[in-house]
Amino acid sequence: DAKTTQPNSMESNEEEPVHLPCNHSTISGTDYIHWYRQLPSQGPEYVIHGLTSNVNNRMASLAIAEDRKSSTLILHRATLRDAAVYYCILRAWNSGNTPLVFGKGTRLSVIA
Amino acid sequence: DADVTQTPRNRITKTGKRIMLECSQTKGHDRMYWYRQDPGLGLQLIYYSFDVKDINKGEISDGYSVSRQAQAKFSLSLESAIPNQTALYFCAASGASTDTQYFGPGTRLTVL
Repeated sequence: DAKTTQPNSMESNEEEPVHLPCNHSTISGTDYIHWYRQLPSQGPEYVIHGLTSNVNNRMASLAIAEDRKSSTLILHRATLRDAAVYYCILRAWNSGNTPLVFGKGTRLSVIA
Repeated sequence: DADVTQTPRNRITKTGKRIMLECSQTKGHDRMYWYRQDPGLGLQLIYYSFDVKDINKGEISDGYSVSRQAQAKFSLSLESAIPNQTALYFCAASGASTDTQYFGPGTRLTVL
């Protein structure tokens, strides 16, 4: 799987939008962009994934650059519960028997 | 109800002891994984299994072994525990047709 680069940490005020960036300049045309997050003292949980078009779900939105070399996870209104480590992971569509590889992610702090 | 459960949730043991961590999942996922997380770091893959007869080593399999007793059960063993195996251990499961992984709550293992 291609490599991703994320900031080590970010901070946000409660109830404001948060934009978490991920750079993946070596992404291939068949790589999906996945996001997971890990709340304190819990296992990671799936957030969202996409290929080319922007994606929305109940947790977040994923904005993908036109050249797909970067993407941004958007939390529309951060809450204290959104404080977590966020992982951006690339995954080829035909990965088949290869598992996810987690990097160090971005630690998001939310200030009340 | 949780898709993936892990037992025990916490374990303290001594150097040289044999330890088994258990993982069960209720959704009929084909694939199961064991990860290790050290403080402040991302997840590292220990072993993974894509079906009952398939076992594969991950990044850090030395000192560990696994058993896939049934589709729903995947156990991790430390044959002779050592202090640097003190960490959080997560089990995960996913379906064959999707990359989304569902994680358990984790087991905190301390080796004295």
